[in-house]
Amino acid sequence: EVQLVESGGGLVQPGGSLRLSCAASGFAFSTYWMHWVRQAPGKGLVWVSRITGDGTNTTYADSVKGRFTISRDNARNTLYLQMNSLRAEDTAVYYCARWGSSGNANYWGQGTLVTVSS
Amino acid sequence: DIQMTQSPSTLSASVGDRVTITCRASQSITIWLAWYQQKPGKAPKLLIYKASNLESGVPSRFSGSGSGTEFTLTISSLQPDDFATYYCQHYNSYSRTFGQGTKVEIK
Repeated sequence: EVQLVESGGGLVQPGGSLRLSCAASGFAFSTYWMHWVRQAPGKGLVWVSRITGDGTNTTYADSVKGRFTISRDNARNTLYLQMNSLRAEDTAVYYCARWGSSGNANYWGQGTLVTVSS
Repeated sequence: DIQMTQSPSTLSASVGDRVTITCRASQSITIWLAWYQQKPGKAPKLLIYKASNLESGVPSRFSGSGSGTEFTLTISSLQPDDFATYYCQHYNSYSRTFGQGTKVEIK
């Protein structure tokens, strides 16, 4: 059974940093590109970042470029999101997600809440 | 950047109704479009991929159509479990772009 379990969320002050983790199981993790998607309270879904299976190529939404870094450890079957220079508008539930090559076979974690507030 | 616009933002319907949600892309995305259902406090659930392909395990009352810039999600006979928010999403090798969502409410 495919499972994605996020952790690392919490309350952080503006300008602070946080690292999210996503532990994957039940599939060949290194063969899948992985994504982070966020959802601010009461708002819609926003794609944040993606990383290729071998970790060599990454892309980011303009809103987080230069502040967030996606990475992965295929030996530990874990995806990461390092978030620096956090702003109030980064407050959201952060989901890790995986899709198949045609956009199917989609799985999401349960999400982890990040709150940026003083 | 490609923008995705859904309409309507909110839709009131009754059990048994045929429901249609529209998603428009700011430029052609051929068939690289997906539809999701999300319920409060839950992760989104993929319904349709590549514009018209039903994800495994999704009831056949859900269908998708369209190509280029205009797409529709149709629920042929709305069931109580279908009251939720629906999102379209363009996807390619580099990113994903979601529409703003359509909330389907009980009439």
